[in-house]
Amino acid sequence: NAGVTQTPKFQVLKTGQSMTLQCAQDMNHNSMYWYRQDPGMGLRLIYYSASEGTTDKGEVPNGYNVSRLNKREFSLRLESAAPSQTSVYFCASRTATQPQHFGDGTRLSIL
Amino acid sequence: GDSVTQMEGPVTLSEEAFLTINCTYTATGYPSLFWYVQYPGEGLQLLLKATKADDKGSNKGFEATYRKETTSFHLEKGSVQVSDSAVYFCALGGPMEYGNKLVFGAGTILRVKS
Repeated sequence: NAGVTQTPKFQVLKTGQSMTLQCAQDMNHNSMYWYRQDPGMGLRLIYYSASEGTTDKGEVPNGYNVSRLNKREFSLRLESAAPSQTSVYFCASRTATQPQHFGDGTRLSIL
Repeated sequence: GDSVTQMEGPVTLSEEAFLTINCTYTATGYPSLFWYVQYPGEGLQLLLKATKADDKGSNKGFEATYRKETTSFHLEKGSVQVSDSAVYFCALGGPMEYGNKLVFGAGTILRVKS
């Protein structure tokens, strides 16, 4: 089925470990986004990529890096994980005149 | 900056009851407004949208009207079902043709009992 695919679905890390969350979309969308979801706070934008070759910071970028590998793929990297980064991470994509389409999320726990 | 405020939950209703979830926003310019729904263990799905003042978005029996004068986009449904139990997020974004970075409310949990 067409859509946004995130891997892995679940991950447990120790403090200080590194991790890359993968996101791929097969809808030929130009723009891609990474959000984190925390209880009582809705979704907050970490980074986004308006088009292939560009990335920009969102509301909460500290502690994260991103790579827009090609038009399909947009990865999120935690270089040195901290307990405060325990969250559910969502990737989304969109084309110019359509709303964002979300993946099913990655549940990340950092001990 | 832009912000969205939703009524706090959880909201617990009996099947066939009327649903209202309040949403108000603060934004510069003329944002687009959205309601997303998240079922347990899943990602967010777009429920409905409105791109200009007085537009009414509707889908699956849910409706919301973009009210610029009250900066509101309240979600309503005339008769809820158990299958409507989910978390509902109100969001605003720039005009559809530009950027469209979304700002989300905190979400409202809806529980419908049979």
